[in-house]
Amino acid sequence: GAVVSQHPSWVICKSGTSVKIECRSLDFQATTMFWYRQFPKQSLMLMATSNEGSKATYEQGVEKDKFLINHASLTLSTLTVTSAHPEDSSFYICSARDSGTSSNEQYFGPGTRLTVT
Amino acid sequence: DAKTTQPTSMDCAEGRAANLPCNHSTISGNEYVYWYRQIHSQGPQYIIHGLKNNETNEMASLIITEDRKSSTLILPHATLRDTAVYYCIVREWGTGNQFYFGTGTSLTVIP
Repeated sequence: GAVVSQHPSWVICKSGTSVKIECRSLDFQATTMFWYRQFPKQSLMLMATSNEGSKATYEQGVEKDKFLINHASLTLSTLTVTSAHPEDSSFYICSARDSGTSSNEQYFGPGTRLTVT
Repeated sequence: DAKTTQPTSMDCAEGRAANLPCNHSTISGNEYVYWYRQIHSQGPQYIIHGLKNNETNEMASLIITEDRKSSTLILPHATLRDTAVYYCIVREWGTGNQFYFGTGTSLTVIP
């Protein structure tokens, strides 16, 4: 089946630094990927839609200058949390849409746990 | 925004069937019902989806009411590994649009 990977699986960084999270579709092409954030005991919240070769679309309330998204290839999207603060500590999950099938199904990555100290 | 409502939590005895309800009274004609589950600290896992007919796969069965305003996910023989948060989501098939997750149901399978 279709596999989506994320790297790193967990990361600890100091306040004020930037962290990059990668999302890769391993066996299919994904022109569109999605980034979610999940705080403890809460549901997944969609942050942005990442489109290959174009600018990402951000959900209301998500700061695009803080959460930089780059989707430079059909198999890779990156989320960079800039100037991270403790309140950015969360579980970040991506999903990738299989653009090679008519169903356009999406597959989720395993998530990245970010802790900002 | 999520268009579904689910009970916050449920318990189920190991080996028994787990029946998880979902209300989606505003579902439109071209929207499918999807079910995902999330085991603690993992990404969501696809379970099943359907439009109006009942569906079954190796993981579960999906029963959709005739008016399509509600559905039930059935895990026929729950095991401890089925303990997870189960999300019911409605979305148009084939569009690849984003999923909007509701609060889900936290299912605990009890030995």
